Amino acid sequence: GAVVSQHPSWVICKSGTSVKIECRSLDFQATTMFWYRQFPKQSLMLMATSNEGSKATYEQGVEKDKFLINHASLTLSTLTVTSAHPEDSSFYICSARGTSGAEETQYFGPGTRLLVL
Amino acid sequence: RKEVEQDPGPFNVPEGATVAFNCTYSNSASQSFFWYRQDCRKEPKLLMSVYSSGNEDGRFTAQLNRASQYISLLIRDSKLSDSATYLCVVNLRRQLTFGSGTQLTVLP
Repeated sequence: GAVVSQHPSWVICKSGTSVKIECRSLDFQATTMFWYRQFPKQSLMLMATSNEGSKATYEQGVEKDKFLINHASLTLSTLTVTSAHPEDSSFYICSARGTSGAEETQYFGPGTRLLVL
Repeated sequence: RKEVEQDPGPFNVPEGATVAFNCTYSNSASQSFFWYRQDCRKEPKLLMSVYSSGNEDGRFTAQLNRASQYISLLIRDSKLSDSATYLCVVNLRRQLTFGSGTQLTVLP
């Protein structure tokens, strides 16, 4: 099946620093990528949807200036958490949807655990 | 009301037991439905799609009742390896909404 990678898999940083997370589709072209966040014992919450070459669409309550998303190519999307604070500590998961196959098929990356001290 | 609601559990069952999970969704326009499995500290993985006619994949049976906006998952002859969190997922206009998951632990 399709493979999506994320890097880094985990990161610990000090409050106030920025953290960049990469999401890559390894064997297919992803026209749409999704960024989710999951707090402990909670469901995945969609943060934003990005389409290659255009601005991301953010969900209500997600600050676009704090969570910068760039989807510059069909295989790479990045999420930058700017000026991270402890409340941003979470499990961030990307997923990608390809240009072929079932339209609703999304392939998930392995996730990135962020801990902000 | 949450868009997708599940009983959080936990469900603790012995090996070999049959266990059923339920899920309800609020938007009647939802178009497609899935069960995902999520292991601890891992990403969710697609277990199976859910169709109105009901569908089976080995020990797993999924059912959808559009009139009641209700989805179920039945696991027969449960194995230790079935221990995970099961997520009910609904697709509307190509956007997935996840339930908070039902935790299952299969005991030896």
